[in-house]
Amino acid sequence: QVQLVQSGAEVKKPGSSVKVSCKVSGDPLSSYAFAWVRQAPGQGLEWMGRIIPMIGTANYAQKFQGSLSITADGSTRTVYMELSSLRSEDTAVYFCARVGTGRVGTSSNYAFLEYWGQGTLVTVSS
Amino acid sequence: DIHMTQSPSSLSASVGDRVTVTCRASQSISNYLNWYQQRPGKAPKLLIYGASTLQTGVPSRFSGSGSGTDFTLTINGLQPEDFATYYCQQSYRPLGLTFGGGTKVEIK
Repeated sequence: QVQLVQSGAEVKKPGSSVKVSCKVSGDPLSSYAFAWVRQAPGQGLEWMGRIIPMIGTANYAQKFQGSLSITADGSTRTVYMELSSLRSEDTAVYFCARVGTGRVGTSSNYAFLEYWGQGTLVTVSS
Repeated sequence: DIHMTQSPSSLSASVGDRVTVTCRASQSISNYLNWYQQRPGKAPKLLIYGASTLQTGVPSRFSGSGSGTDFTLTINGLQPEDFATYYCQQSYRPLGLTFGGGTKVEIK
């Protein structure tokens, strides 16, 4: 059974950085892509970016270019999200998720977020 | 980026009702559309992918339709556990799986 377990809540000062971990069990890391999504209090879901650990390449939403780094450590089956230059607007619950693919008809490249971590609250406050 | 717009942002319904949520993409995404359910304090749960394919284990009262830019999530016979927020997500651009703003389904 696939499980994603995230690190605990963080409180950070404006201008600092935060690194959240997501430990994966049940399947090798290398076979899948992993994504990060955040949710500000009372708000909707926001796509941040993703990584394919086997390749090591990460892609980021334009909004997070330059401030976001997603990495992975295959030996510990852990994916990391590091966000720098934190502002109060970055206060949110951060989720990791495994990207799955499904088949529709003869096509098998329908991507979705299949398994999710429990979420990590990051509070940015002076 | 592909922008996703959901309507309504919230609705009130009773147990047993039929509920419809709409999602519109800023450009054609064929049928690369996912639906998620999120209960308060929980991570989202995948309901539907490919606009109409039910994820394993999801009750058949949930259904999805649409193609191109306009999509619909329908719940036939709303159950108490269905009161939640629903999000659409496009997967046409797999490097950026953007979400709609969400639709909160509340008890009338």
